[in-house]
Amino acid sequence: EPEVTQTPSHQVTQMGQEVILRCVPISNHLYFYWYRQILGQKVEFLVSFYNNEISEKSEIFDDQFSVERPDGSNFTLKIRSTKLEDSAMYFCATGYSTYTDTQYFGPGTRLTVL
Amino acid sequence: AQSVTQLGSHVSVSEGALVLLRCNYSSSVPPYLFWYVQYPNQGLQLLLKYTSAATLVKGINGFEAEFKKSETSFHLTKPSAHMSDAAEYFCAVTEGNQGGKLIFGQGTELSVKP
Repeated sequence: EPEVTQTPSHQVTQMGQEVILRCVPISNHLYFYWYRQILGQKVEFLVSFYNNEISEKSEIFDDQFSVERPDGSNFTLKIRSTKLEDSAMYFCATGYSTYTDTQYFGPGTRLTVL
Repeated sequence: AQSVTQLGSHVSVSEGALVLLRCNYSSSVPPYLFWYVQYPNQGLQLLLKYTSAATLVKGINGFEAEFKKSETSFHLTKPSAHMSDAAEYFCAVTEGNQGGKLIFGQGTELSVKP
């Protein structure tokens, strides 16, 4: 069964450094999402992406965050200057369509900012 | 605004007992509702979804959920718990005009005692 993959599984970085989290979506999926889960808290929506542009973003997704699909396969989340409070599990999800369609989640990248 | 409340952050049942995980939602339009399961060190996997068809939805691994509009609820049940059901369960909602963004509840950790 096709699955969403994410790399790295764990990233440790120093505060102020840039990180790029990568996701390989299921091949025929058109909608892409990033969510995050701070330890002990809810899974929170960050951003949705369709047709090479952001469809919607949350208040969390400020100017320090960006997404792109540089080569038509990988879907990346960049945090320009990491803060301690960015430490979380980041999940990529993809779907063939919106609303009623299932979003398939990757295993996540655990980001630790020191 | 949409919101999801899961009553009980931790539920413990004996093997063979009924599993009942509660989810209440708030939505201004007819919602689409989902239950996801997360096993340790894995991503979120869809258990089942409600998309305005039958109000009783059957999912994988013997789970089912009933959409009750009058109670704004979408509780997850399984008649007989198995040890392998031990995991974190998340209820989520999306609205048709929100481009697929999922709003999650805080999660319920299910423990199964032998």
